[in-house]
Amino acid sequence: EAEVAQSPRYKITEKSQAVAFWCDPISGHATLYWYRQILGQGPELLVQFQDESVVDDSQLPKDRFSAERLKGVDSTLKIQPAELGDSAMYLCASSVSGEGIQYFGAGTRLSVL
Amino acid sequence: GEDVEQSLFLSVREGDSSVINCTYTDSSSTYLYWYKQEPGAGLQLLTYIFSNMDMKQDQRLTVLLNKKDKHLSLRIADTQTGDSAIYFCAEISMNRDDKIIFGKGTRLHILP
Repeated sequence: EAEVAQSPRYKITEKSQAVAFWCDPISGHATLYWYRQILGQGPELLVQFQDESVVDDSQLPKDRFSAERLKGVDSTLKIQPAELGDSAMYLCASSVSGEGIQYFGAGTRLSVL
Repeated sequence: GEDVEQSLFLSVREGDSSVINCTYTDSSSTYLYWYKQEPGAGLQLLTYIFSNMDMKQDQRLTVLLNKKDKHLSLRIADTQTGDSAIYFCAEISMNRDDKIIFGKGTRLHILP
């Protein structure tokens, strides 16, 4: 069964360092999402791509976060510099189209020390 | 604004039925979902229901939707230890350009 792949599974970094997360969506899924999930909360959307274009990045802290999906397939989310409050699970999801069912990857758990 | 509310905890004895409830505020919801999250893992889609339906059954899972009261429930029959997880209710709405909103999740604890 096709899955959304994410790496790394875990990342520990010191504050002020740069971190990057990678996501490979299910083949053929045009829409890709990055979510942040703080412990005890539901996921919150950071950015949504339709192919290589950003559809919604209204909740992305653009002073330190960036996301790209250059060829409309896999995507990278970067944080620079990382802050203590960025410790969370970062989830990637994909769907066939913007209104389709979203399938999630296993996530990257980030700990900022 | 739009909101999805769930109770935070539920304890159920193994073999009993679990009922997890959810309320939402957006009357233009098109789909409503239940996702399951096991410790350290991503979200697994369990089931979903279109807003023009009032019930959907899939093996041990039954979803009931009361659109008038904006209430969604997930019933798990014959609850097993493997059902122990956090269950997220989520809804998607045309009003928000199909952006999905999640509840905070209900932690289901199975008692022996």
